[in-house]
Amino acid sequence: ETGVTQSPTHLIKTRGQQVTLRCSSQSGHNTVSWYQQALGQGPQFIFQYYREEENGRGNFPPRFSGLQFPNYSSELNVNALELDDSALYLCASSSQKGADSPLHFGNGTRLTVT
Amino acid sequence: AQSVTQPDIHITVSEGASLELRCNYSYGATPYLFWYVQSPGQGLQLLLKYFSGDTLVQGIKGFEAEFKRSQSSFNLRKPSVHWSDAAEYFCARPIYNNNDMRFGAGTRLTVKP
Repeated sequence: ETGVTQSPTHLIKTRGQQVTLRCSSQSGHNTVSWYQQALGQGPQFIFQYYREEENGRGNFPPRFSGLQFPNYSSELNVNALELDDSALYLCASSSQKGADSPLHFGNGTRLTVT
Repeated sequence: AQSVTQPDIHITVSEGASLELRCNYSYGATPYLFWYVQSPGQGLQLLLKYFSGDTLVQGIKGFEAEFKRSQSSFNLRKPSVHWSDAAEYFCARPIYNNNDMRFGAGTRLTVKP
């Protein structure tokens, strides 16, 4: 069973740039959720994708956008990067859509915005 | 608003000692509740979940948690802590209006030799 993999592991960007983060879901999982984890805080929900459609969104501005592909892998795109976007971005897959299906997390992408 | 609260930011216990990490939830008659663990530099791993039924739930790595409706709590326990248990622990509950798994702020566990 292949777990959730994320790439890249680390990334440094400049304010105003755009970034794309990638996630491969665990085999057999059709739902992907993205979280932002600032230093010393719990993960904050960005959005969930199910069968290539957004299926719920947290309190993040539209410059945070996503995609899910037919193989259930996913991308998180962030435009016009701000310093506060520096965080660990976590992808999690689950076997069912919705809020209460157990999440299987990748190890995250550490984004630093300078 | 529906949420979970972890009152303890940081806890230190000696190896071999017992552990209890606190989690309180707000709103919801019988919410689904989860505990996750995050080791340094890693993603989160599910320890256990409570959906309904028996209020004492067994998880992986020797952890258990007890749901107490009267106290709105879902505390995580382990009878004897190992050095490898040093990590960040998060309590979480689902928020159905936007399919959010809402996490608490976490409790960092340090294990003394």
